[in-house]
Amino acid sequence: EAGVAQSPRYKIIEKRQSVAFWCNPISGHATLYWYQQILGQGPKLLIQFQNNGVVDDSQLPKDRFSAERLKGVDSTLKIQPAKLEDSAVYLCASSLEGLANNEQFFGPGTRLTVL
Amino acid sequence: GENVEQHPSTLSVQEGDSAVIKCTYSDSASNYFPWYKQELGKGPQLIIDIRSNVGEKKDQRIAVTLNKTAKHFSLHITETQPEDSAVYFCAEGATGGGNKLTFGTGTQLKVEL
Repeated sequence: EAGVAQSPRYKIIEKRQSVAFWCNPISGHATLYWYQQILGQGPKLLIQFQNNGVVDDSQLPKDRFSAERLKGVDSTLKIQPAKLEDSAVYLCASSLEGLANNEQFFGPGTRLTVL
Repeated sequence: GENVEQHPSTLSVQEGDSAVIKCTYSDSASNYFPWYKQELGKGPQLIIDIRSNVGEKKDQRIAVTLNKTAKHFSLHITETQPEDSAVYFCAEGATGGGNKLTFGTGTQLKVEL
């Protein structure tokens, strides 16, 4: 079974530029998550989708971050404009359903460096 | 869940020794406690989990214990091997509540030969 795919794996941009990340979850998984993992910290949930609807985006900085999952399958996360503090690994995860005790399968992440 | 504290932040053990990582949480509604292992350059991977109706769970060399009264849970790895070297994260969630996981800050485990 193919895992969660993410691209690109690495991205370096200057502050105030825009960047987009792509995620393809495990086939059949209804729930998709985007996490931000700052160096030395645990993953922090940015947004959770159930199919193509947003379940939780309470920690998403909506003035600069946006995400979509239009067809309920793959998803994109965008940052515009980027700030230095956005440097982090952005992890995508998926699960069968959206319950807390459903195993979340993580992709390898995209490491973003903002200069 | 609101807050999860994890200790220690780094742990170095000799091969064959045991390793213990501890987490405390604050949300009384939390009822699910998974542990994830993250190797360098990879995403976290679930290694074991425990639900609030169970006090202990074991899977080969790894075990997790839960004390709901004290609001803490621990990961125990016995007979450590070099391939156990990684960053370990505890997390907590509440099914039926927000259904999201809150992660600890991680423990860098190094198993030395």
